[in-house]
Amino acid sequence: GENVEQHPSTLSVQEGDSAVIKCTYSDSASNYFPWYKQELGKRPQLIIDIRSNVGEKKDQRIAVTLNKTAKHFSLHITETQPEDSAVYFCAASRGYSGAGSYQLTFGKGTKLSVIP
Amino acid sequence: NAGVTQTPKFQVLKTGQSMTLQCAQDMNHNSMYWYRQDPGMGLRLIYYSASEGTTDKGEVPNGYNVSRLNKREFSLRLESAAPSQTSVYFCASSETDRSGYTFGSGTRLTVV
Repeated sequence: GENVEQHPSTLSVQEGDSAVIKCTYSDSASNYFPWYKQELGKRPQLIIDIRSNVGEKKDQRIAVTLNKTAKHFSLHITETQPEDSAVYFCAASRGYSGAGSYQLTFGKGTKLSVIP
Repeated sequence: NAGVTQTPKFQVLKTGQSMTLQCAQDMNHNSMYWYRQDPGMGLRLIYYSASEGTTDKGEVPNGYNVSRLNKREFSLRLESAAPSQTSVYFCASSETDRSGYTFGSGTRLTVV
């Protein structure tokens, strides 16, 4: 099955700096890569996703890049703010498997701390 | 519009006891999922249901059973709870266009 590795496990940055989280995946058939943010005690929430037909996607201060050849994708957060502090999870899916279902395999998470 | 609702939010069980975690979504999604979250382990898929009437095993199904009662509801049952099942359980649902999962608020289960 799919295996998703995520690095680093913890990351501390100064407010205003950029943060980068990297993930690699094992299944070359994977073609959908979402990122989730989970604040302490809360549910994971989708912040951005990318499909295999594009190499980069941006949404304000966050961006995701995908390198299918190398089987890795990254989350970039610019101009970090204290409210960006959370655990971030990457995930990968190899596509539909019946009635539109798709299973996400998650990385183990990165705890981002933004220091004011 | 409540999204995905899970009950209960917290539960303490003794080893060997059984319980059912409830999940309901009001977004008319076909697919529903159960994940468990353990420190340092990310989210791991227990079971999923592609559509009403179907269920399939995920990565860590041992010790669990599920029921897709109707399109809205997907329950997770622990028949004989073990301390290794202490975890936070998340239910999720999804559209067919892969616009991401919507997660419930989670159930924090402790087995003593």
